[in-house]
Amino acid sequence: AQTVTQSQPEMSVQEAETVTLSCTYDTSESNYYLFWYKQPPSRQMILVIRQEAYKQQNATENRFSVNFQKAAKSFSLKISDSQLGDTAMYFCAFMKLDGGATNKLIFGTGTLLAVQP
Amino acid sequence: ETGVTQSPTHLIKTRGQQVTLRCSSQSGHNTVSWYQQALGQGPQFIFQYYREEENGRGNFPPRFSGLQFPNYSSELNVNALELDDSALYLCASSRQGGTEAFFGQGTRLTVV
Repeated sequence: AQTVTQSQPEMSVQEAETVTLSCTYDTSESNYYLFWYKQPPSRQMILVIRQEAYKQQNATENRFSVNFQKAAKSFSLKISDSQLGDTAMYFCAFMKLDGGATNKLIFGTGTLLAVQP
Repeated sequence: ETGVTQSPTHLIKTRGQQVTLRCSSQSGHNTVSWYQQALGQGPQFIFQYYREEENGRGNFPPRFSGLQFPNYSSELNVNALELDDSALYLCASSRQGGTEAFFGQGTRLTVV
């Protein structure tokens, strides 16, 4: 079974600064995806960034980037130039690729990020 | 905002009652997944529907059941509600085999 662990329940960062959220996972699978989702107070899960396990290059999306260390099973999210709108709960998630069958997401417990003005 | 809509947004039920939650998937998506998110926790996979059939299930009892309709919308039914069923229920739509899931805003269910 796969597990996802987020060891930082809460974090705080000053506006315009950089913050890194940690995530580790456990799996014996070789073909999978990793995700970071953002859940603001509106409750809707929003995809922030996605990483394919077979790609060595770390994914980036504007101010968001990941540090994917496959051997260490680590997948951290770096947010640069933090903005007040980044305040939200952030979830790390794992998806095993099952050849067209159920591609379910396995989530961590989340990190609550507060961006301070 | 995604095109996934859920109704109702909030619901209060009494222990032992039954509840139906609804989800309309995003245009072009044929797969719907349901997740339960207890307070302070990450979402837990309940089940997934594809072509109107259950296509994978998490560790939830049979009193959690679902339907998918020809237009790909879906319902989640929970019978014999228990206090621990109080949670945010999230629906996500995707293409079959796809890796990107689009979530709705959820239904907050409170069981008293």
